[in-house]
Amino acid sequence: DAKTTQPPSMDCAEGRAANLPCNHSTISGNEYVYWYRQIHSQGPQYIIHGLKNNETNEMASLIITEDRKSSTLILPHATLRDTAVYYCIVSTNTNAGKSTFGDGTTLTVKP
Amino acid sequence: GAVVSQHPSRVICKSGTSVKIECRSLDFQATTMFWYRQFPKQSLMLMATSNEGSKATYEQGVEKDKFLINHASLTLSTLTVTSAHPEDSSFYICSARERYTEAFFGQGTRLTVV
Repeated sequence: DAKTTQPPSMDCAEGRAANLPCNHSTISGNEYVYWYRQIHSQGPQYIIHGLKNNETNEMASLIITEDRKSSTLILPHATLRDTAVYYCIVSTNTNAGKSTFGDGTTLTVKP
Repeated sequence: GAVVSQHPSRVICKSGTSVKIECRSLDFQATTMFWYRQFPKQSLMLMATSNEGSKATYEQGVEKDKFLINHASLTLSTLTVTSAHPEDSSFYICSARERYTEAFFGQGTRLTVV
C-alpha cells in the first residue's frame, strides 16, 4: 500500500469547515483513498472513500486531485464531537482493512 | 455504515490466565476480519488477518501461539490472548469487511493484565 503523509495536528472553529489534507504521491492506479477517524478510547469510524472522483456522504466530502497524488477530507460544519484523530489510508479494495495506520491528524474543534 | 460489535469492552485478568475477545459483524457477512493492537498515544498496529474458515495470517513479530485467532463463521471472530502478561495490556480492536468493501471497526477492548 502507498504511504500517506498528514499534518500532525489542526485546529478548527466550531461551525466552520474543517479541511484535512493527505498526501499520497506514490498511489497506484487501483488504490483507493480511505478516511477513518478515531475518537479517544474508541475504535476507528469509517468516514468515506474514493478512487478518483470526488465523493460526498452524510458525514463528509472527499476531494481527490486529478493526478490522485493528494486528497482533502472536508467536514462542512465541524462540531465539538468531530474532535478526533483522522487517518488517511491508501489501499486496494482487495486489501481494504489490512491497513497501515500512520499517525494521522489530530483535529481539535474549538468553541 | 455496517455494525461491528466487540465484546467485552474492558477486561482485567490475572497474569498467566487467558482472555477471549469476540468480534461480531451484526448486519453483514464478514469474509475477512482483522485484529489490531494499540498502545497508549500510538497508532493502530495490525496483528493478523483472518478469512472465514481459514487459518489466520499473522504480521511479522506477532506470536501466533500467544494470540490465537479463530474465524469459524461469517459473523464471528475471536482473539484469545493466552498466558497473558502485563506487557500484553493494550487496546485490542477488530475490523471486518465483506469482499472488496471498506472495513468497519469494533469499539475496541481494553485489556489490563495485573
